[in-house]
Amino acid sequence: QKEVEQDPGPLSVPEGAIVSLNCTYSNSAFQYFMWYRQYSRKGPELLMYTYSSGNKEDGRFTAQVDKSSKYISLFIRDSQPSDSATYLCAMAGTGRRALTFGSGTRLQVQP
Amino acid sequence: DVKVTQSSRYLVKRTGEKVFLECVQDMDHENMFWYRQDPGLGLRLIYFSYDVKMKEKGDIPEGYSVSREKKERFSLILESASTNQTSMYLCATMPGQTDTQYFGPGTRLTVL
Repeated sequence: QKEVEQDPGPLSVPEGAIVSLNCTYSNSAFQYFMWYRQYSRKGPELLMYTYSSGNKEDGRFTAQVDKSSKYISLFIRDSQPSDSATYLCAMAGTGRRALTFGSGTRLQVQP
Repeated sequence: DVKVTQSSRYLVKRTGEKVFLECVQDMDHENMFWYRQDPGLGLRLIYFSYDVKMKEKGDIPEGYSVSREKKERFSLILESASTNQTSMYLCATMPGQTDTQYFGPGTRLTVL
């Protein structure tokens, strides 16, 4: 079983929809949670970073962490065609410098 | 802005060749990483370095080596390229006191 599970999609939604992307994890040592966005043939770019349970909002993006359920989510409001990309969740814990990534969810927002 | 550059965007090599992939950062970050990305498998850590001349194996180091002679530069070496090393290679950097990594644009390597 992978340490981080993420549905690969693809997820196709109409423009303006609310998008929900999710990851589950099994390692209780993970304390820091990130979401990266990766456009085709580009490197991942950091979208959201959080280390506590609860919600963190940044513009149209909300990151949600539930450590008791080992579940994290990224919500995108008023989705735009420019949001079409692969979204990767990533996690870090004490004692390991590197991140552990989910396999990524491909999102397509239809105009 | 953090800038991470990789020496090539696309590379085609023959089986058995020695391949060098280079990563350069301009933000004085202590930590540098090499990942490979394959469909369905996500990003997997090959090697990382937390200081000049210091390195640690990641999850899939077999067939690879690394070099960090200067703080800003981290090289990935494929001693004898094989077809199963065809992949997207991503370099990342991270400041010492955070867990936020910054990625380069990637090198898509094809080994024929």
